[in-house]
Amino acid sequence: EPEVTQTPSHQVTQMGQEVILRCVPISNHLYFYWYRQILGQKVEFLVSFYNNEISEKSEIFDDQFSVERPDGSNFTLKIRSTKLEDSAMYFCASNLGTATDTQYFGPGTRLTVL
Amino acid sequence: KQEVTQIPAALSVPEGENLVLNCSFTDSAIYNLQWFRQDPGKGLTSLLLIQSSQREQTSGRLNASLDKSSGRSTLYIAASQPGDSATYLCAGTGSNYQLIWGAGTKLIIKP
Repeated sequence: EPEVTQTPSHQVTQMGQEVILRCVPISNHLYFYWYRQILGQKVEFLVSFYNNEISEKSEIFDDQFSVERPDGSNFTLKIRSTKLEDSAMYFCASNLGTATDTQYFGPGTRLTVL
Repeated sequence: KQEVTQIPAALSVPEGENLVLNCSFTDSAIYNLQWFRQDPGKGLTSLLLIQSSQREQTSGRLNASLDKSSGRSTLYIAASQPGDSATYLCAGTGSNYQLIWGAGTKLIIKP
């Protein structure tokens, strides 16, 4: 069964460094999403992406965040200058593209900023 | 602004019991409601999705209901097993297609 994959599973970085989190959505899906979950808190929406551009973004998704679909399979989240409060689990999701479709989630990348 | 609330925050029951987890949302203008399972330190597994036009969905021992007028959804788990122990999250799809999440109910099934 097709699934969303994410790499790496765990990323440790120093404050101020740039990180790129990678996702491979399900191949025929058209909408892609990033969510994050700070330890002990709710899952929060970051950004949605369709047709090579951002569809929606939350207040969390400020100028230090960017997303890209560099080729036909990968979907990346870049954090330019990491802060301690960026430490969280980051989840990628994809769906076929309508609001009625199930969003399928990857296993997540745990980002630890020291 | 859509808010999603789950009660209780934690629940511990003996194996074999039937149980109900609750989810409430403030804005009835949702496209659908999804229930997820999350094991400690792990990802999000979709369990059931209920479209806004539906009232319930079933998968095995799980049954989810949706009442948009009252802003409520429930997840019913029949004949609970220790393997059902996990955190259960509900999330509503809003008008801009993003999922709005509850904080989850941590379920422990005692053998």
